[in-house]
Amino acid sequence: DVKVTQSSRYLVKRTGEKVFLECVQDMDHENMFWYRQDPGLGLRLIYFSYDVKMKEKGDIPEGYSVSREKKERFSLILESASTNQTSMYLCASRETTGKAKNIQYFGAGTRLSVL
Amino acid sequence: AQKITQTQPGMFVQEKEAVTLDCTYDTSDPSYGLFWYKQPSSGEMIFLIYQGSYDQQNATEGRYSLNFQKARKSANLVISASQLGDSAMYFCAMREGMGYQKVTFGTGTKLQVIP
Repeated sequence: DVKVTQSSRYLVKRTGEKVFLECVQDMDHENMFWYRQDPGLGLRLIYFSYDVKMKEKGDIPEGYSVSREKKERFSLILESASTNQTSMYLCASRETTGKAKNIQYFGAGTRLSVL
Repeated sequence: AQKITQTQPGMFVQEKEAVTLDCTYDTSDPSYGLFWYKQPSSGEMIFLIYQGSYDQQNATEGRYSLNFQKARKSANLVISASQLGDSAMYFCAMREGMGYQKVTFGTGTKLQVIP
């Protein structure tokens, strides 16, 4: 089974803090994604990475950055957390070949509160 | 224009009955795919079913089937013989084009199964 692990289920941070959200996948997937989920808005793509050290902006990249130094790990960074970044953050990885091509597999999510 | 529209914010269904969750999509790309994901209260997004735009037959996975009507641009999820464990949020999503294939998610439908 594909396993996508997010390091924290719940986080509480202060405004202005630097926040790291970590995501690890164990299936050697090339593509990885960070989404945020807010009620009534569905999932919105923040950043994605199609390979190590490669990254592309998604729909709402402002206030975020990412790092992908190793294939299995994709980190989301909030340089200076703000209250409007309080949200549920979901990491995903995607198979790019074979029968399971196109399917994104998700972690359990990190619920971040910025006070 | 919304690329994915889920018009039912919430639905109820009696246990053991079938239920249809609506999804309409908008794309001009001839190559696309449609997904359904389930999100229980625990937060993890679980892949349910996938339909490619060139697939001749409607996709089925166990109790889940995707009613794909290309001309109407609809991709409704049908759950047969509902179970209490089916209570969750359900998201419709679409990938477009070749290459990276960005995925867009709808706003979700909350399904509650009544005993």
